[in-house]
Amino acid sequence: ETGVTQSPTHLIKTRGQQVTLRCSSQSGHNTVSWYQQALGQGPQFIFQYYREEENGRGNFPPRFSGLQFPNYSSELNVNALELDDSALYLCASSTPGANEQYFGPGTRLTVT
Amino acid sequence: GQQLNQSPQSMFIQEGEDVSMNCTSSSIFNTWLWYKQDPGEGPVLLIALYKAGELTSNGRLTAQFGITRKDSFLNISASIPSDVGIYFCAGDSIQGAQKLVFGQGTRLTINP
Repeated sequence: ETGVTQSPTHLIKTRGQQVTLRCSSQSGHNTVSWYQQALGQGPQFIFQYYREEENGRGNFPPRFSGLQFPNYSSELNVNALELDDSALYLCASSTPGANEQYFGPGTRLTVT
Repeated sequence: GQQLNQSPQSMFIQEGEDVSMNCTSSSIFNTWLWYKQDPGEGPVLLIALYKAGELTSNGRLTAQFGITRKDSFLNISASIPSDVGIYFCAGDSIQGAQKLVFGQGTRLTINP
């Protein structure tokens, strides 16, 4: 059974640029959630995708957007990057109604 | 964004000692979870609690869901070197919604 994978591992971008992060969910999992983890903090919920539709959103501006594909993989897009967007971005997959989410290793984004 | 109040922020203990950490919230949660995160990895679920007053063990780990549904604690008995890491509590206001709110984490260091 393949776990949750994320790409790239690390990324450096300049303020104002756009970035796309990718996540492949664990086999059989059709729900994907994205979290932002700033250095020294706990993860914060960005949004969740189920059946290719956004299914709930945290307190993040519209420049954070996402997609889910028919194979349940997902993308997180961030436009107009700001310095405060520097963080570890975590993807978690699960099945609907389950209490356990399986997290990927994350993508470390640095905005300069 | 909303976060749970987790304490202590860090702990320095001797191998073999017991560890206790807790998490409080001003809001009610219907699921409490405890995760461990190692460097370069995503959080891994340790224990999930679904009912007020519930006490659940996983090996040397024991966690409780507070009666008020606004708090939880995690105990680790007879600590070993591999227990080193950052522990996070997380709450889900709707059971199974999987839109988690995390604490700030407790960094556990074990002195040789």
